Amino acid sequence: IAGITQAPTSQILAAGRRMTLRCTQDMRHNAMYWYRQDLGLGLRLIHYSNTAGTTGKGEVPDGYSVSRANTDDFPLTLASAVPSQTSVYFCASTPGSGSADTQYFGPGTRLTVL
Amino acid sequence: AQSVAQPEDQVNVAEGNPLTVKCTYSVSGNPYLFWYVQYPNRGLQFLLKYITGDNLVKGSYGFEAEFNKSQTSFHLKKPSALVSDSALYFCAVRVRSSASKIIFGSGTRLSIRP
Repeated sequence: IAGITQAPTSQILAAGRRMTLRCTQDMRHNAMYWYRQDLGLGLRLIHYSNTAGTTGKGEVPDGYSVSRANTDDFPLTLASAVPSQTSVYFCASTPGSGSADTQYFGPGTRLTVL
Repeated sequence: AQSVAQPEDQVNVAEGNPLTVKCTYSVSGNPYLFWYVQYPNRGLQFLLKYITGDNLVKGSYGFEAEFNKSQTSFHLKKPSALVSDSALYFCAVRVRSSASKIIFGSGTRLSIRP
């Protein structure tokens, strides 16, 4: 593993189903982030974690939850998926939690909710 | 409301010509400014950032960006475009006082024709 991995690469999901998107980094970065990318809207922050054991809400947190049990993993869960959650989801990390830190992104998960 | 604007959805440039991708922002205080590039079906990659000091920042692949505080702009530039520069470019702003406050522009698709 090098950098950030995300799984699955893509998924088609029925509305109402529960889904967990996985994110793992091997860089020992403290902070991790989840974004959704929608055409014409750029990236919007869903949730973030400044360090293991802590999480916070971003710009669009409704319908999503996260956990950060350890440094490497930051799963994103959709408890009951809705079509408006169709998007491309990116996980990212930074070495620290400072504003000047560069973000490193995973390859993304394309999610379609029908 | 704090925001980042990339006024052009698409920029078309002939190979060898200079290119500019525009970014303006409206945030409180003195933010940190970033440019990221996204190639098809890939995550975002860091290009460059402005933290402090010289207003002209040099980054990867020959790109540079000029910070203009009075115009609240951070335009991305390259003296001579390559076909391989064709990609989606995002400007991002992070608020110094809140590392979790990250605002991305909507993206500009750069197309370089041979």
